Amino acid sequence: DGGITQSPKYLFRKEGQNVTLSCEQNLNHDAMYWYRQDPGQGLRLIYYSQIVNDFQKGDIAEGYSVSREKKESFPLTVTSAQKNPTAFYLCASSITVGQTEAFFGQGTRLTVV
Amino acid sequence: DAKTTQPNSMESNEEEPVHLPCNHSTISGTDYIHWYRQLPSQGPEYVIHGLTSNVNNRMASLAIAEDRKSSTLILHRATLRDAAVYYCILREELIYNQGGKLIFGQGTELSVKP
Repeated sequence: DGGITQSPKYLFRKEGQNVTLSCEQNLNHDAMYWYRQDPGQGLRLIYYSQIVNDFQKGDIAEGYSVSREKKESFPLTVTSAQKNPTAFYLCASSITVGQTEAFFGQGTRLTVV
Repeated sequence: DAKTTQPNSMESNEEEPVHLPCNHSTISGTDYIHWYRQLPSQGPEYVIHGLTSNVNNRMASLAIAEDRKSSTLILHRATLRDAAVYYCILREELIYNQGGKLIFGQGTELSVKP
């Protein structure tokens, strides 16, 4: 089935460690996005990429890094510089031509202890 | 980025219509109005989108004001499965691989009573 997959669903890390969240899509979408959601809050944009080998910062990029080496993959690294990394992370993808919907993964809940 | 304003919460009775309002007074001429909904601990799900004209699909209807400064998502008959947070979003036009991002606000939490 076509879709967007995030893994793992739950992730625990010790404070000070970098951690990479996976996002893969087989929808042939050019655009991919990473969002962060805190309890009771809306989604905030971390990074987005409209094409392979290119990406832009969103509203809260500090402490995060991304890469877009393949069209299907857009991994997000939460670095030790991110002061409050515990959150629900959501990945999305969409086509870039025209105005269509974005498809979201089921999210990764990261807990840093 | 143009912003949207929605009520924090709304209540509805099952089987009745629900009108979810959204204000977007700073919308630009090329921004599309998108609606998504999110169930707890899940990713958002697309509901509907439009530019100027009212839109209908199997999930809902979208009524857009003539000046485009507000819109209303209409669920014709609410069910218990429609209880979710509904987000009204302005999606900027994509130009030369820039733009097109979705900026989420706080959304409206809809509860449906049996």
